[in-house]
Amino acid sequence: QVQLQESGPGLVKPSETLSLTCSVSGGSMSPYYWSWIRQAPGKGLEWIGYTFYSGRMDHNPSLRSRVTMSQDTSKRQFSLTLKSVTAADTAVYFCARVNRKGGMDVWGKGTTVTVSS
Amino acid sequence: SYELTQSPSVSVSPGQTASINCSGDALPDQNVYWYQQRPGQAPVLVIYKDVERPSGIPERFSGSTSGTTVTLTISGVQAEDEADYYCQSVDRTSSYVIFGEGTKLTVL
Repeated sequence: QVQLQESGPGLVKPSETLSLTCSVSGGSMSPYYWSWIRQAPGKGLEWIGYTFYSGRMDHNPSLRSRVTMSQDTSKRQFSLTLKSVTAADTAVYFCARVNRKGGMDVWGKGTTVTVSS
Repeated sequence: SYELTQSPSVSVSPGQTASINCSGDALPDQNVYWYQQRPGQAPVLVIYKDVERPSGIPERFSGSTSGTTVTLTISGVQAEDEADYYCQSVDRTSSYVIFGEGTKLTVL
């Protein structure tokens, strides 16, 4: 059974860079899309972006050029980097697998990131 | 930009049927996915491709479509169904993922 686990610092200072990693266990990274989603306190789900096992990536245009994603299939990990963070980036960050039918069928438990000095 | 619209809240008594709607202009041409999110937990996929139910999801969860509106129906609602429900689709032109604002289901 595939499981996902997010990891990274829980506290990031304003203007600095947020870096998170999602580790995949119990299955292969191919041929799936792997997605990042976040949820600000008391708010709904916001898609951040996805990466495909072949290397194709895309992200939410609202995050402009602040987002970078990468993956290391040999380590079965994919990562998110968000530059120049502000308090508005405070959220629970989830990673998820997008299955062949298009739905996000496996989710990590989420990791809370707070942006504060 | 493409948007999905959901009602903020729905309330039903145990044993009744809850209907949660999601509207969007492109929905006739795009698949919709539904997620259940209980407080403090990660979302769970409960319906995919408009009407399909993943294994392990109770039969009381079903999906339907009508024009620009898709509906998640929960028959015989139980207390454990109290949660936020989000619809999700993909923008046909950009391939960006879009979530609805979510609907809070309260079981009275």
